[in-house]
Amino acid sequence: KAGVTQTPRYLIKTRGQQVTLSCSPISGHRSVSWYQQTPGQGLQFLFEYFSETQRNKGNFPGRFSGRQFSNSRSEMNVSTLELGDSALYLCASKGWEGEAFFGQGTRLTVV
Amino acid sequence: GNSVTQMEGPVTLSEEAFLTINCTYTATGYPSLFWYVQYPGEGLQLLLKATKADDKGSNKGFEATYRKETTSFHLEKGSVQVSDSAVYFCALSDLLRGQNTGNQFYFGTGTSLTVIP
Repeated sequence: KAGVTQTPRYLIKTRGQQVTLSCSPISGHRSVSWYQQTPGQGLQFLFEYFSETQRNKGNFPGRFSGRQFSNSRSEMNVSTLELGDSALYLCASKGWEGEAFFGQGTRLTVV
Repeated sequence: GNSVTQMEGPVTLSEEAFLTINCTYTATGYPSLFWYVQYPGEGLQLLLKATKADDKGSNKGFEATYRKETTSFHLEKGSVQVSDSAVYFCALSDLLRGQNTGNQFYFGTGTSLTVIP
């Protein structure tokens, strides 16, 4: 069974630009969550989607948004990028025992 | 609220040494507890889990027991190998099983482990 797939693996963007990250969950999983990982703040929850609806949201500004499609694939968008948005963005799909299965992440660098 | 406090690192051990990484939690309700491992440049991999008090999770020689009385979930391994070098994260989830229920994970800050030959 294929794991969680995130694309792209690496991105370099300029301040003020916007970026879209993609996540395909494990087949059959319908819940997708996004996390931001930085050396200073560790792992922080961004949001969770289920059946195309956002169910939970972390404490991030409105520049961070997401969506989920009918095939459970999810995208995350960050607008008006700031240097502090440089991070590893991790997507996870939820297993039947409540565990999270993570993708390899997208490394975003804002210059 | 929910939170996880994890032993500060980094930890450096010799091969075949005993490993303990401490983890305590604060939670409302009845969370599930997890240990994840992250290798350089990779995402998080589930190492083991426990879904209720007194459960013991185990995998690849690692073990952790869900202790409700001490709100702890310490990770242990009897004999570490060089290949165990990684960052370990303790996490809790306000577990709701099944696909159609929401949950959020709360992670500790991570403990970096280096095992030297």
